[in-house]
This record gives sequence, structure tokens and C-alpha cells, in this order.
Amino acid sequence: DTAVSQTPKYLVTQMGNDKSIKCEQNLGHDTMYWYKQDSKKFLKIMFSYNNKELIINETVPNRFSPKSPDKAHLNLHINSLELGDSAVYFCASSHGTGGGNQPQHFGDGTRLSIL
Amino acid sequence: AQSVAQPEDQVNVAEGNPLTVKCTYSVSGNPYLFWYVQYPNRGLQFLLKYITGDNLVKGSYGFEAEFNKSQTSFHLKKPSALVSDSALYFCAVRDRNDYKLSFGAGTTVTVRA
Repeated sequence: DTAVSQTPKYLVTQMGNDKSIKCEQNLGHDTMYWYKQDSKKFLKIMFSYNNKELIINETVPNRFSPKSPDKAHLNLHINSLELGDSAVYFCASSHGTGGGNQPQHFGDGTRLSIL
Repeated sequence: AQSVAQPEDQVNVAEGNPLTVKCTYSVSGNPYLFWYVQYPNRGLQFLLKYITGDNLVKGSYGFEAEFNKSQTSFHLKKPSALVSDSALYFCAVRDRNDYKLSFGAGTTVTVRA
């Protein structure tokens, strides 16, 4: 009955590879997010979708591409992985349109390590 | 623009003592304010939020926070800390006209037995 689930939990891969991270929420939320947490624990928003529409698109390399097939799923595809992409990537979801006062519910993260 | 400052990287307290984690914010309009906690190898968990009204907000696990508009602060407090409260705490702010939630750098709380 996990609310926000991400797969895989760990991802170790070589520089230059392409990889995807999947996220699913069973909370009935309308809005989903991708965050990056670096080694110093700084959290930075990357993308957000509301009902499959992109509403936040921060300044991230265009090697990162989100896809939302439906409002319960938000995937993150990363092309040509670089050493600096090593981080923990968190998916989150919330009620409403993405703004507002609703708290976000986070998955447990995907730990990406680039060799 | 909006931003959050958590001036202390670390807070150390003895079990049973009061715990305070400081947060100040900056927004152009009126803020929504949040506190989250992160345990090792886990995602962030929501603790409490301020929307409007009473300046003292009560949340999960005995935590509370006080909104102070004049000092633009939203400090997290717990009257009697537990060892199990040891974790990383994040303050976050959203301007009511913005989609984005901005997080502080986090404060590591260590409660010693």
C-alpha cells in the first residue's frame, strides 16, 4: 500500500548510458514532481506535472526528460549520463494544481551512481 | 522570488530537553510554510504547515511551529525531544502565487540519550 513508489531504488551505471526512473502514486493526486538531492542534501525541484501537463520546468540539462503517461505516473529519462548526475532523485505528489497549501508526499528516492 | 534559510547545520540536544530548529523565509507575497523530516535512506515526510490564522501550528509526533510575520520566521519546536527525533529537518516556503516549493538547506538534529 505504498503511497509514492519509485523504481529502481538503486541505479549504478556507466557514464554515457541512458536510464529511466519510474514513479507511481496511488493517492489520487493530480500533481507530481521530480526533485534532485545532491550529496550535501540540497533539494532542488526539476519538473512538475499537473494532470499530465508540464507546469514546472526548471533549468536542467535537456538530457533529462520527464514523461507523464497518466496522472498517477511520472517517469524520468536521462540520456548520456554524466558524473555530475550522481544524486538521489525523489518523486513526490500532491493534491490540487501544484500551487496552494497541500503538502507533498515523497517516495523513498532512487540513488543514482555514475561510474 | 522566494527563499528559505536554516541558519544551523546541526542541532544537538539531550533527550527530554526542548528542541528548536530555526527557519526564516523570504517571499514577495504571503507564504505557505511547511516542515518536513527525512530519516536516513527515506523520502521526506510532512510534519506540519502554516496557511493562515493561528500563528502556532501543531503537527505530527508532538512537533509545533510558530509563524512570526514580523521576523519572517517559522521555527520548529518540540517540548521534550526523543532519541528517535534524530533526523534531517527541512523548512519549505511557497509564495501563494507560485507553483514551486523552495526548501532550506536542512538541519541535522541529533538527540543524545
